[in-house]
Amino acid sequence: AQKVTQAQTEISVVEKEDVTLDCVYETRDTTYYLFWYKQPPSGELVFLIRRNSFDEQNEISGRYSWNFQKSTSSFNFTITASQVVDSAVYFCALTGGSTPLVFGKGTRLSVIA
Amino acid sequence: NAGVTQTPKFRVLKTGQSMTLLCAQDMNHEYMYWYRQDPGMGLRLIHYSVGEGTTAKGEVPDGYNVSRLKKQNFLLGLESAAPSQTSVYFCASSYIRSTEAFFGQGTRLTVV
Repeated sequence: AQKVTQAQTEISVVEKEDVTLDCVYETRDTTYYLFWYKQPPSGELVFLIRRNSFDEQNEISGRYSWNFQKSTSSFNFTITASQVVDSAVYFCALTGGSTPLVFGKGTRLSVIA
Repeated sequence: NAGVTQTPKFRVLKTGQSMTLLCAQDMNHEYMYWYRQDPGMGLRLIHYSVGEGTTAKGEVPDGYNVSRLKKQNFLLGLESAAPSQTSVYFCASSYIRSTEAFFGQGTRLTVV
């Protein structure tokens, strides 16, 4: 069975601080895909990034960066110099083999001005 | 390009009533999903489909049925609504399993 654990339920930071959202996964598949989605207060789900199990390169996109480590089954997400607009619920998700897309419980990030 | 469209956006049902939620996508995606979102529970998969005419159970399928008679549509049915089915329902689609899923705007369902 596949499982995604986001241990941080809620995080609160002051604007301009850096923040890391943790994601730990479990899977028996050798090929799998990891995702991060953002759900702002308006409620829609926005795709942020996809990573396959064969590519452990870290990725940076502006203030966002992702650290994928197969050795620890983690796919962590860091926001540098956080802004109020980053306030949202962030979901980590996993799919692979014959298992469909499953999500973690999400981390609610509040960035205070 | 509409993407993924859910109908209706809001609904209030009485216990025991039935209803169908419609999800339509115009991206020619093979995979379609129905999730429910409850506070503190994240997104839980109800049912999914890997192509026209196919359906499969997810994590929380009890009390729901689905059909995918046309590739672009994925219907979620509640035969006898219960208060425990009060939730926000999201439909999503993806081209194949490994590509990103696109989500609808959600349906807020209240069962009283």
